[in-house]
Amino acid sequence: DSGVTQTPKHLITATGQRVTLRCSPRSGDLSVYWYQQSLDQGLQFLIQYYNGEERAKGNILERFSAQQFPDLHSELNLSSLELGDSALYFCASSLTQLPSYNSPLHFGNGTRLTVT
Amino acid sequence: AQTVTQSQPEMSVQEAETVTLSCTYDTSENNYYLFWYKQPPSRQMILVIRQEAYKQQNATENRFSVNFQKAAKSFSLKISDSQLGDTAMYFCAFMMPNTGNQFYFGTGTSLTVIP
Repeated sequence: DSGVTQTPKHLITATGQRVTLRCSPRSGDLSVYWYQQSLDQGLQFLIQYYNGEERAKGNILERFSAQQFPDLHSELNLSSLELGDSALYFCASSLTQLPSYNSPLHFGNGTRLTVT
Repeated sequence: AQTVTQSQPEMSVQEAETVTLSCTYDTSENNYYLFWYKQPPSRQMILVIRQEAYKQQNATENRFSVNFQKAAKSFSLKISDSQLGDTAMYFCAFMMPNTGNQFYFGTGTSLTVIP
């Protein structure tokens, strides 16, 4: 158990809808990262927060947004959903602002999003 | 651009045998870190092993070891005495400090351990 908790495990919704994915980092970790894993693709970095502030942005669509709350949990909001948004969404956390050799990423179990 | 390539989409190995998963990467940087992650059917991403580029000695964690060839930009994972619990997707990852320490992942190798 990595200590990173993601909810829900599965989510099925229709195109055009909006969903919210939730992540609780490991106790003590200040950084939260969101990744998207589509079929036949590796993990694509979406966005990172550190202690409540956005730190880095990757290939995140404008329809997607995220935030990190004072208790350090994070939410990823996906709106105007399209079929292509179906994927596994992972949250990861690390102790430091920047992951390092001594503070690598710890991943949650992911949320499987299916858009129909 | 930094890239990570895992050329073996699927592999299988007999239980108790040894298997090697390949990974190559492309970068012009000299300071970076390499990781192997395991994703079992439970979908959780688990850190298996890590290597600092400036260390010549290959990292070892129990049955897992790497063959790090910096000049060739190769970072293969060797699993010895394969166990059924090793069945999983394995991702090679690459991180550079001067790009915000973001991780770049390969597309993964699906390993099946056959009883």
